[in-house]
This record gives sequence, structure tokens and C-alpha cells, in this order.
Amino acid sequence: SQKIEQNSEALNIQEGKTATLTCNYTNYSPAYLQWYRQDPGRGPVFLLLIRENEKEKRKERLKVTFDTTLKQSLFHITASQPADSATYLCALDHTTSGTYKYIFGTGTRLKVLA
Amino acid sequence: SQTIHQWPATLVQPVGSPLSLECTVEGTSNPNLYWYRQAAGRGLQLLFYSVGIGQISSEVPQNLSASRPQDRQFILSSKKLLLSDSGFYLCAFSLGETQYFGPGTRLLVL
Repeated sequence: SQKIEQNSEALNIQEGKTATLTCNYTNYSPAYLQWYRQDPGRGPVFLLLIRENEKEKRKERLKVTFDTTLKQSLFHITASQPADSATYLCALDHTTSGTYKYIFGTGTRLKVLA
Repeated sequence: SQTIHQWPATLVQPVGSPLSLECTVEGTSNPNLYWYRQAAGRGLQLLFYSVGIGQISSEVPQNLSASRPQDRQFILSSKKLLLSDSGFYLCAFSLGETQYFGPGTRLLVL
């Protein structure tokens, strides 16, 4: 069965540094992958989508890479700020019969220290 | 723009009691709708999805059911809650490949 793994340990980094979060998957070849941000007690918020034929995608201070050979996506936040502290979820495309569906990872909690 | 609402925000229910959680979407028509549950330290588990009125697909066997009586209304129900039904319930709709989530309902079954 498909499996998606994110670092379960929390990631603490100093303000201004680059945070790098990892999403690995097995037994699957998704057409695209998404990253979401989730704050405590809130619903996830969409950040970025990257397709299987794209190596890299950027949005402001965010960068996502997608390596279909390694079956891995990396999510980078440059010049991190305390406001970036949240849990970040990756989600794999699991569309079936034309209906968009997704498999979510457990998320990595990021804490940016001032 | 599209918005999604869920209520209640928090709910404490005794074991064996019924449940009804409601989700409504504004600003779009015929959306795909989803119910997820998020347990502590675990990922989002897809419970149900719907591609249209009256059309419900269940992803996992469980104590819950879903209904879509109107185009932009999605309801999650149970006749008798179990302790294991506790969790954070999220409703979402999709616009193309992207999902948009509601604020969630925190359910505690005692």
C-alpha cells in the first residue's frame, strides 16, 4: 500500500535560517504533490503544488522540489521567521475515477526561534 | 471568493449519543466535498467524499455516515458515538487539484 512519511520529530531552527522539511513516499507514483500549513486547532491551508514533470517550484520565501526517482519532496522556507512556526503537511495525489483525492502525511512541526 | 464553514467548533458528547456535524460551502457550485478526521499525532484520514447531491463514497468502514442533502451542504453523522470517534474533524472542498479546508470541529467523546 502507499506510504508517505514526514519527519515526526519537531524541527527547531533559528530565525533567519533556512528550514528544510522532507516528505518521502513509497509504492506510489503521484502525478503531483502538495504542501499545506496547519496552525494548532485550525484547518490546513494550501501553500504549493508541484507536478511530476517539475523539478522545483517557488513562491516568495517558499521552495519545493520533487524528485520522482528518489520518491521525495523537499520543502524549504528561506529567511525563516517566528510566524512560520506551524505544522507542515505534504499530500500526494491519489485521484481515482476522475475524483481528486489525496493521501496526507502526518506533518512536521516547525518552530522558528527568535 | 469561496468560503467554507463548519459547526460546531467544539463538541463534548457522551458515549452512545448521536452526532451531527455540518459543513457548508459558499461561492462555488457542485464542489467535491470531503470529510477527514485527524487524530493526535496522526495524519488526515479521509472518511467520506462526495461528487454531487446524494452521492457519498466511504473510504473506511466505521461508525460514521455522511449525507449531502444540498449541493453545498455536507453532514457527518453517527447514531451512537464511540470513544474512538474523538478527534478533529475537517470538512474540505476541492477546486481542481487543490483542497480548501474548513476551521474544523474538535469532538471529545467521554
